[in-house]
Amino acid sequence: GQQVMQIPQYQHVQEGEDFTTYCNSSTTLSNIQWYKQRPGGHPVFLIQLVKSGEVKKQKRLTFQFGEAKKNSSLHITATQTTDVGTYFCAGGYTGGFKTIFGAGTRLFVKA
Amino acid sequence: EPEVTQTPSHQVTQMGQEVILRCVPISNHLYFYWYRQILGQKVEFLVSFYNNEISEKSEIFDDQFSVERPDGSNFTLKIRSTKLEDSAMYFCASSDRQVPNTGELFFGEGSRLTVL
Repeated sequence: GQQVMQIPQYQHVQEGEDFTTYCNSSTTLSNIQWYKQRPGGHPVFLIQLVKSGEVKKQKRLTFQFGEAKKNSSLHITATQTTDVGTYFCAGGYTGGFKTIFGAGTRLFVKA
Repeated sequence: EPEVTQTPSHQVTQMGQEVILRCVPISNHLYFYWYRQILGQKVEFLVSFYNNEISEKSEIFDDQFSVERPDGSNFTLKIRSTKLEDSAMYFCASSDRQVPNTGELFFGEGSRLTVL
């Protein structure tokens, strides 16, 4: 079946260091979305990527979608304490109705 | 800003009891979803709902679960006979996209279910 895998499970960084989380699907995706969940909160949409090889930036966040539309990454430059939380990738597949979430990467930022 | 609202925020129930979790999606949205998240774990798809019927459901969504949109605004998840392993945060989400599984999912704040 369709699965979305995400690594690492946890990442501890010092404030100012960079952070990257990687996402991989067992089959080709029609789109990939990224969400952030603060501790005790609900997932909040960050961005959607649709095109093969697409790169999008939001301030210090850079999102990439692989050429084969099976993998994606989120990179945060110079992390801040406000970046703490869990980052989820979530994939949509052609012909389906569901968006499948990866396991998430929990980011801890030490000031 | 429009938002998805869920009630109750927390429900404690005895094993074997029925629970109903309620959601009011954003009014012009077309697709509605229930996801659940066991503490600290992944966000798991349960069911999607479109045009007043289930469009897709996961293996988790067995005969104990049902969804309804009784009055055009509320969207409910019923668990007929709760089990200990049903303890989780249940998130309702909605989407305004014409094409399923594309575009932003707007999540509610969740209903925490504790089964004793």
